[in-house]
Amino acid sequence: DAKTTQPPSMDCAEGRAANLPCNHSTISGNEYVYWYRQIHSQGPQYIIHGLKNNETNEMASLIITEDRKSSTLILPHATLRDTAVYYCIVRVRDIKSNFGNEKLTFGTGTRLTIIP
Amino acid sequence: DAGITQSPRHKVTETGTPVTLRCHQTENHRYMYWYRQDPGHGLRLIHYSYGVKDTDKGEVSDGYSVSRSKTEDFLLTLESATSSQTSVYFCAISEEIESKNIQYFGAGTRLSVL
Repeated sequence: DAKTTQPPSMDCAEGRAANLPCNHSTISGNEYVYWYRQIHSQGPQYIIHGLKNNETNEMASLIITEDRKSSTLILPHATLRDTAVYYCIVRVRDIKSNFGNEKLTFGTGTRLTIIP
Repeated sequence: DAGITQSPRHKVTETGTPVTLRCHQTENHRYMYWYRQDPGHGLRLIHYSYGVKDTDKGEVSDGYSVSRSKTEDFLLTLESATSSQTSVYFCAISEEIESKNIQYFGAGTRLSVL
C-alpha cells in the first residue's frame, strides 16, 4: 500500500470548515483513499473513501487531486465532537484477491482540535 | 456500531498468566480482526479470521493465538502475558458495501500486564 503523509496536528474554530490534507504521492491506479478518525479512547470510525472522484457523505467531503497524489478531507461545519485523530489510509482496490489480508496501516494521523 | 462487543473492557493481570479477550458480533460478518494500539505505533494487526476455524497471522502475532469456533465470536488469547503486551486491543469486522471494504471497530479493551 502507498505511504501517506499527514500534518501531526491542526486547530480549527468551531463552526468553520476543517480541511485536513494528506499526501500520497506514490499511490497507484487501483488504490483507494480512505479516511478514518479516532475520538479519544474509542475505536476508529470510518468516515469516507474515494478512488479518483470527489465524494461527499453525511459526515464529510473528500477532494482528490486530478493526479491523485494528494487529497483533502473536509468537515464542513466542525463541532467540538469532531476533535479526534484523523487517519488517511491508502488501500488496494481489488478486495477479492486481498480480502484475506485487509489490514489497515493507520500511521500517526492528524490530531484535529476544534476550538470553541 | 456494527454490533461489535468487546469484553472485558479493562483488565489488569500479572506477568505469566493467561488472558483471553473476546470479540462478539451480532451481524454475521465473515471477516474479523484483532489489532493492538500503542503510542507511536498506530494500530497494528495481530490476527484476522476469514471464517469459522479460518484464521491467519498479522504483523505482530508472536505471543498471541486466536480461535473462531462460531461466526459471532473471535477470541484472542495471550498464553503467558508479558509487560510488552500492555496495550489497547481493538476488534474489527469487515463489511462490504457496494464492493468496497470498510472496517468497523469495537470500543477496545485496555489490558495492563504488571
